[in-house]
Amino acid sequence: DVKVTQSSRYLVKRTGEKVFLECVQDMDHENMFWYRQDPGLGLRLIYFSYDVKMKEKGDIPEGYSVSREKKERFSLILESASTNQTSMYLCASRRPTGGGNGYTFGSGTRLTVV
Amino acid sequence: GDSVTQMEGPVTLSEEAFLTINCTYTATGYPSLFWYVQYPGEGLQLLLKATKADDKGSNKGFEATYRKETTSFHLEKGSVQVSDSAVYFCALREAGNQFYFGTGTSLTVIP
Repeated sequence: DVKVTQSSRYLVKRTGEKVFLECVQDMDHENMFWYRQDPGLGLRLIYFSYDVKMKEKGDIPEGYSVSREKKERFSLILESASTNQTSMYLCASRRPTGGGNGYTFGSGTRLTVV
Repeated sequence: GDSVTQMEGPVTLSEEAFLTINCTYTATGYPSLFWYVQYPGEGLQLLLKATKADDKGSNKGFEATYRKETTSFHLEKGSVQVSDSAVYFCALREAGNQFYFGTGTSLTVIP
C-alpha cells in the first residue's frame, strides 16, 4: 500500500523554536508539496519540489523553508515558530506526468505554537 | 489565474438524503478535476476525478460530471450515510503540476 508518512500527528512548540516537519513517501514520486489547512481558508500551498535539491515557493512561503536532500523526503522548517503558524500541515506527493494523476496526502500534522 | 469555488458549508443532511455539493472552476486551458474527502483527523483522500469534458468520475456512490460549458464539477450522491460525514474539497490541475483547491465543504449526516 503506497504511503505518504508524516512523522508526527500532533506537535506543541514554543514561540521562537525551530520546528521540523518531516514527510516521507515510498512511491518514488518526483513531486512533493507542503500545504497548510486553516478553517475558512482551505488548503494553501507553502512550498513544493519537483525533484531532489529543487524547491519552489508556493502562495504563502513567508516564515517557512524546505529541504529535499533525498527523493523520498521533503522537510518543512519553521525557522522561528510563531503563534500564527498554528495550523494543520499536510504533505502530498504525485508523479508529474499525466493530467489525471492526483495527489497522495499524508495524515497531517497538527501544530500548536504557544 | 486558475481557481476553484465550492459551496460554503456546513451542510447537514439526514441519512438517505440526496447530496449535492456545487463546484465551479476558472481555468485558462483544459484542467483535470478532482474531488477529495477528508475524514475527521485524517489527511485528504482522492474520491474521484475526471480528466476531460463530459467525463464522469464515480466512487463509493459519489458521482461528478465534468461540464465544460458551465465550468462545473458538482458532487452528488443519491443516499448519504453517517459514514459520509467529512469535509469535501474540489480541486483542479492544469498544465503545471500545482493543484488549486476549493475551501472545502463540511458535511454532517445525522441518523
